[in-house]
Amino acid sequence: AQSVTQLGSHVSVSEGALVLLRCNYSSSVPPYLFWYVQYPNQGLQLLLKYTTGATLVKGINGFEAEFKKSETSFHLTKPSAHMSDAAEYFCAVSSTDSWGKLQFGAGTQVVVTP
Amino acid sequence: KAGVTQTPRYLIKTRGQQVTLSCSPISGHRSVSWYQQTPGQGLQFLFEYFSETQRNKGNFPGRFSGRQFSNSRSEMNVSTLELGDSALYLCASIGGPGNTEAFFGQGTRLTVV
Repeated sequence: AQSVTQLGSHVSVSEGALVLLRCNYSSSVPPYLFWYVQYPNQGLQLLLKYTTGATLVKGINGFEAEFKKSETSFHLTKPSAHMSDAAEYFCAVSSTDSWGKLQFGAGTQVVVTP
Repeated sequence: KAGVTQTPRYLIKTRGQQVTLSCSPISGHRSVSWYQQTPGQGLQFLFEYFSETQRNKGNFPGRFSGRQFSNSRSEMNVSTLELGDSALYLCASIGGPGNTEAFFGQGTRLTVV
């Protein structure tokens, strides 16, 4: 079984400040890990993914995440927040034997203040 | 290349009715998954189809069903609608075992009154 925990349902950051969204997972098999962003009344847009290989993953819009197996974490960061980053962010996990089924975290709403 | 297309975008139904939602995946993708999104329960997996076969199923009652056609298009059906079925239903398109990124459609907003 797999599960995802996102710490903090709401995060407020100042424009230009670091964005850090935390995600911890549990999986009995090697995981595939993803971060998605959702704008109001929209679907989910893939920011980045980890499947195998390099543990530091770069995504779109300046986001990156690091897979830490020992900590079972996949935290998302962006060095400098922009107003357009205000949205809801979801961490998700699947696996090699269940690649078509994503287990999502509860989501983190990001507010960016001027 | 065209993205994932879900129709309709918005739907209002009455309790007890049934509804069918449609999803056309990205060309060449063979897997389609469905998710229900509500404020209280978040994003929950409904089912996944790969090459016309249901591979995985979430923990939803039998009123929720789906199918996939030979062209990979998928439909999901909800019978005997309840107020609690009001949600955003999202479809995800995945290439296959070696190409596991899920691309989502805009969703269908279902309101049951």
